[in-house]
Amino acid sequence: EAQVTQNPRYLITVTGKKLTVTCSQNMNHEYMSWYRQDPGLGLRQIYYSMNVEVTDKGDVPEGYKVSRKEKRNFPLILESPSPNQTSLYFCASSLWSGQAQETQYFGPGTRLLVL
Amino acid sequence: SQQGEEDPQALSIQEGENATMNCSYKTSINNLQWYRQNSGRGLVHLILIRSNEREKHSGRLRVTLDTSKKSSSLLITASRAADTASYFCATPPGGGADGLTFGKGTHLIIQP
Repeated sequence: EAQVTQNPRYLITVTGKKLTVTCSQNMNHEYMSWYRQDPGLGLRQIYYSMNVEVTDKGDVPEGYKVSRKEKRNFPLILESPSPNQTSLYFCASSLWSGQAQETQYFGPGTRLLVL
Repeated sequence: SQQGEEDPQALSIQEGENATMNCSYKTSINNLQWYRQNSGRGLVHLILIRSNEREKHSGRLRVTLDTSKKSSSLLITASRAADTASYFCATPPGGGADGLTFGKGTHLIIQP
């Protein structure tokens, strides 16, 4: 089954404690990205990757890191989480047409609470 | 980055009625995508319509695109309680790899 998986689904942590949210897709998609969703602000892109070893900042990259060592995986790293990073996070993947993203496939989401 | 804006922000209708949601965007697009999100869950892709298409159907869904007005509409016919969700339009930036820009969505409630 074609899917994007994220782990963990729920996470409560404390300020400053490094964490990683994993993302994996099985569709051989070139393009992967991370979004955060906050009430009243909608979905905003954090980082994206157009292929292995190619990553770039989205609209709200501060406080986050990513890596793309393998095509299927795109982990999101919070080196020193702060309460303003409390949010619902989504990983997504898609084909890249050469001009724009095609249909995005979203993971189930990771709900993060930073105390 | 360009932005899709959905209208109305919220819509409540009776089961069996049709629901129409609109989306406006600001600059030229390669394609426009509609997604559904059930409360707190991941987004599910509904339809992708390309800039050279004017209308597209998928089951009870019909999407139109008017590039001259920079607008799109999503029609759900014969609505069901299970259609209760938030609906988002999203556009990839023309010529760039930045992420889809999502509007804030239309929250649709189908009353039994």
